[in-house]
Amino acid sequence: SQQGEEDPQALSIQEGENATMNCSYKTSINNLQWYRQNSGRGLVHLILIRSNEREKHSGRLRVTLDTSKKSSSLLITASRAADTASYFCATDKGAQKLVFGQGTRLTINP
Amino acid sequence: NAGVTQTPKFQVLKTGQSMTLQCAQDMNHNSMYWYRQDPGMGLRLIYYSASEGTTDKGEVPNGYNVSRLNKREFSLRLESAAPSQTSVYFCASSAGPYYSPLHFGNGTRLTVT
Repeated sequence: SQQGEEDPQALSIQEGENATMNCSYKTSINNLQWYRQNSGRGLVHLILIRSNEREKHSGRLRVTLDTSKKSSSLLITASRAADTASYFCATDKGAQKLVFGQGTRLTINP
Repeated sequence: NAGVTQTPKFQVLKTGQSMTLQCAQDMNHNSMYWYRQDPGMGLRLIYYSASEGTTDKGEVPNGYNVSRLNKREFSLRLESAAPSQTSVYFCASSAGPYYSPLHFGNGTRLTVT
């Protein structure tokens, strides 16, 4: 069964705009991670946020975590064509058995 | 630095045939994983190995076996392939066991006819 559910399933924006993706989960977690997958490739780790953290930044990425609402969001600012990819959240309840959501497919239009 | 290497990249099997998917990592990671990715289903964990010499079932282990050959290598075997096993298979590794990101290979695209 899927622990994380991403929303929206697909998102199309213009280059330079910001993109926001959301992830909801059902049970308590140890940490939550976001990954990117380019077409035909493996997943690439973007950012990890621990359950006791509320916000984390990495370059143009900003991740928030609200454990009371069991939700997380990934914000990509000033989007570029190279950001076109699928984005997955993954929850870790401990022991590194990550459970992935179904992903958000992001398209950046030039 | 190759990271996680999977072989083969593509494979077509007939129902009932067997095959082994190979995975090797050169990052001296302790933990290794096998996931499958199907359209609309995200990634689902098949088996994982927290450390050399140990393996454990994930969410969808039926029809698969694994071998942690050494610290570098983790193979996935399909003994009698079924059409339901048509999928993209990803191997991953992590330093483990906590707060460690996963590093993925580029996948094996398997079709069972």
